[in-house]
Amino acid sequence: AQTVTQSQPEMSVQEAETVTLSCTYDTSENNYYLFWYKQPPSRQMILVIRQEAYKQQNATENRFSVNFQKAAKSFSLKISDSQLGDTAMYFCAFMKREQGAQKLVFGQGTRLTINP
Amino acid sequence: DTAVSQTPKYLVTQMGNDKSIKCEQNLGHDTMYWYKQDSKKFLKIMFSYNNKELIINETVPNRFSPKSPDKAHLNLHINSLELGDSAVYFCASSQDRGRMKQYFGPGTRLTVT
Repeated sequence: AQTVTQSQPEMSVQEAETVTLSCTYDTSENNYYLFWYKQPPSRQMILVIRQEAYKQQNATENRFSVNFQKAAKSFSLKISDSQLGDTAMYFCAFMKREQGAQKLVFGQGTRLTINP
Repeated sequence: DTAVSQTPKYLVTQMGNDKSIKCEQNLGHDTMYWYKQDSKKFLKIMFSYNNKELIINETVPNRFSPKSPDKAHLNLHINSLELGDSAVYFCASSQDRGRMKQYFGPGTRLTVT
């Protein structure tokens, strides 16, 4: 079974700083996807960034980028120029296809606070 | 033009009652899911339906019964509610082919007293 571990329950940085959230996972699969989801206080789940395991190039989305180390099974999220609106719970997730469905396995989450 | 909607958003009920949460998606997706987020914010998949067929059932108690009347709807019925059922329940949908992405509903906060 796949497991996802986020070792930082909480993090706090000043606005405009750069912050990196850690995530490791365990799987014997070769084809899979990794995600970072953001959950603000509104509780809506928002997809931040996605990485296909077969791609060596790290995904980027504006201020968000990942450091994907497949051999180490590590998938960290870097937020540059952090903004107050980035304050939220962040979940790392592993996904594989199973019988036509996309089975997501989530980490425990990291509560990120951006201070003014 | 909400993509994935859930009703109700909040549900407060007493132990032993039976309740349902409804989910609808207007994205034309063929797969729908239910997730449970507990008080510690941990999210775990419960069920998945593909074209109205149950394909993922993650050791959820029999008191939980999903029902998919059509591809656009996946309802969750819970019998004999227990205190431990208090959580936020999220519905999601995806398209099997194409981009791997799940679209989440706004969640339903269930409180059992």
